[in-house]
Amino acid sequence: KQEVTQIPAALSVPEGENLVLNCSFTDSAIYNLQWFRQDPGKGLTSLLLIQSSQREQTSGRLNASLDKSSGRSTLYIAASQPGDSATYLCAVRLTAGNNRKLIWGLGTSLAVNP
Amino acid sequence: NAGVTQTPKFQVLKTGQSMTLQCAQDMNHEYMSWYRQDPGMGLRLIHYSVGAGITDQGEVPNGYNVSRSTTEDFPLRLLSAAPSQTSVYFCASSTGQGIGYTFGSGTRLTVV
Repeated sequence: KQEVTQIPAALSVPEGENLVLNCSFTDSAIYNLQWFRQDPGKGLTSLLLIQSSQREQTSGRLNASLDKSSGRSTLYIAASQPGDSATYLCAVRLTAGNNRKLIWGLGTSLAVNP
Repeated sequence: NAGVTQTPKFQVLKTGQSMTLQCAQDMNHEYMSWYRQDPGMGLRLIHYSVGAGITDQGEVPNGYNVSRSTTEDFPLRLLSAAPSQTSVYFCASSTGQGIGYTFGSGTRLTVV
């Protein structure tokens, strides 16, 4: 059974720091992995999606890597800002089939302090 | 604005009442789904649809019904609300290739 774990559960850093959020999964047979951001009381915003054949994706100050063999993905945030404060979730899609079910981690709650 | 629209944003129900959570998308996505989010349990798939007229169960379908009469709309019906259905509900859609997901802003439901 695929399980997704995110460590740490919470993180508090001063503004300007570079930081890494971790996501691990137990079964390397994944279709893709996606990182989302969730602001309090709001929906989820897709940040980056990495296909199983890819090693990394970049968007602005965000970089996500994928190592299927070790069952790990990392989200790197450069030069963090208070506006980056949110919960970051990773989700794994298992197959290309119709189900398209995502297996979710519980998230890392990030606070960037001015 | 293009995206996924969910209504209502908040709802309080009494045990045994029924209601429908609305979800509409204007991106012509063929795939739509409903998730619930509970503390300590992450998001769990309730029902999904791969196109108009086609629906299927996710991992926690009991107590919920869905229909997909059009590409745009995917309502979620609670037949007889129970306190265990207190949760935040999210609707999401994606393209036929399932490349990425767009989520609505959620409905916070409390059953008393």
